[in-house]
Formats: sequence, C-alpha cells, structure tokens
Amino acid sequence: EAGVAQSPRYKIIEKRQSVAFWCNPISGHATLYWYQQILGQGPKLLIQFQNNGVVDDSQLPKDRFSAERLKGVDSTLKIQPAKLEDSAVYLCASKVQGANTIYFGEGSWLTVV
Amino acid sequence: KQEVTQIPAALSVPEGENLVLNCSFTDSAIYNLQWFRQDPGKGLTSLLLIQSSQREQTSGRLNASLDKSSGRSTLYIAASQPGDSATYLCAVIGSRLTFGEGTQLTVNP
Repeated sequence: EAGVAQSPRYKIIEKRQSVAFWCNPISGHATLYWYQQILGQGPKLLIQFQNNGVVDDSQLPKDRFSAERLKGVDSTLKIQPAKLEDSAVYLCASKVQGANTIYFGEGSWLTVV
Repeated sequence: KQEVTQIPAALSVPEGENLVLNCSFTDSAIYNLQWFRQDPGKGLTSLLLIQSSQREQTSGRLNASLDKSSGRSTLYIAASQPGDSATYLCAVIGSRLTFGEGTQLTVNP
C-alpha cells in the first residue's frame, strides 16, 4: 500500500516569498491533516479536512496560510508571504474516517531565510 | 485546552537497558493515545495505539500503558538497541490530535 506522499521534500525561500506544498493521502482516506513541526517541538495541527470540507482550521494563521482539498483527495498548503518563523517541517497525514490510526508522510522541510 | 507533556526531553542510555518514557495530559476526555517514532529527516511512524478503554498495548519490545484517570501514559522499551535511537512522540486523540514535545532517545553501543 502506498503511503502519504508529499512534495517538495525540501524548499528554501526568502522571507516575503510564497511557497506551496502538495500532499497525496493514502487511497480511500477521507480525513487529511496538515501539521507544522518546528525543530525541537511536537507537531501542531494547522488544518483538518474531512473529504473536501474543513473540520478544524482554528490554529491556521489565515492571514498568510491557506489550504485546499478541492476534490477530496490531494491537498495543497500555501504560505504567502513567508516569515522567518515559518521555517519548519510541514507534515501531511491521513486516515480512514472513523478509524484510529493516522498515517504520516515524510514531510516538507521549509527554510525561510 | 489539552496540553501534553513528555518527560524526559532527552535520554541517553547504553545498549541493553530497559527504559521508560513518560507522557502526561491535562484533559482525560480522550478517545485514544498514540505513540509515534520520528527518525531524523523523516515523518512519523506509528508504534502503538491505546484506546481509551484499554490499559496497555504491546508490540515486540515495546509496551505502552494508559491511565486515563491520572492523565498518564508510559512507553516501556525493553533491551534497548542502537536502532531504537529516535524521537518518541506521544499524541492524545480527543477532539483534536495533540502532540507532546517528544523525548529524544540515544542508545549507545
């Protein structure tokens, strides 16, 4: 079974530039999450989708971050404009609706300089 | 708001030791608790999931316990090996999946 796919794996941008990350969840997984993990900290939930609807985006900095999951499968997370403090790993995860186990991708590593 | 704390933040042990990682959480209204492993430059790998009605789960050399009433979980690793070196994250599943800050484990040969 293919895992959660994320791209790009690594990105370096200058502050005030924009960046987009893509996630392809495991086939059949209706629930999709984006997490931000700053070095040395645990992951923090940015947004949770159920199919193409947003379940929880209370911790998403909406002035600069946006995410969409138009067809209920792939998702993109965009940051515009980026700040230095956005340097982190952006983890995508998915699970079957109603199931317990969550599967994580390998992450997209962002460095803002 | 759920808060998850992991102690210790870092641990270095010689190979072969048995060790315990601790996780505590403030809101006992949880569905499940999940332990993950994170290797440098990698995503998270699920190790064990304990449902709220369970007291413990075992997988190989790993044993995780859950005491909902006291808001605690422990991850026990028996006969540690250098390959166990990684960061171990505890995540509490309530209305939201909330992670602790992790314990960075180093097992020295």
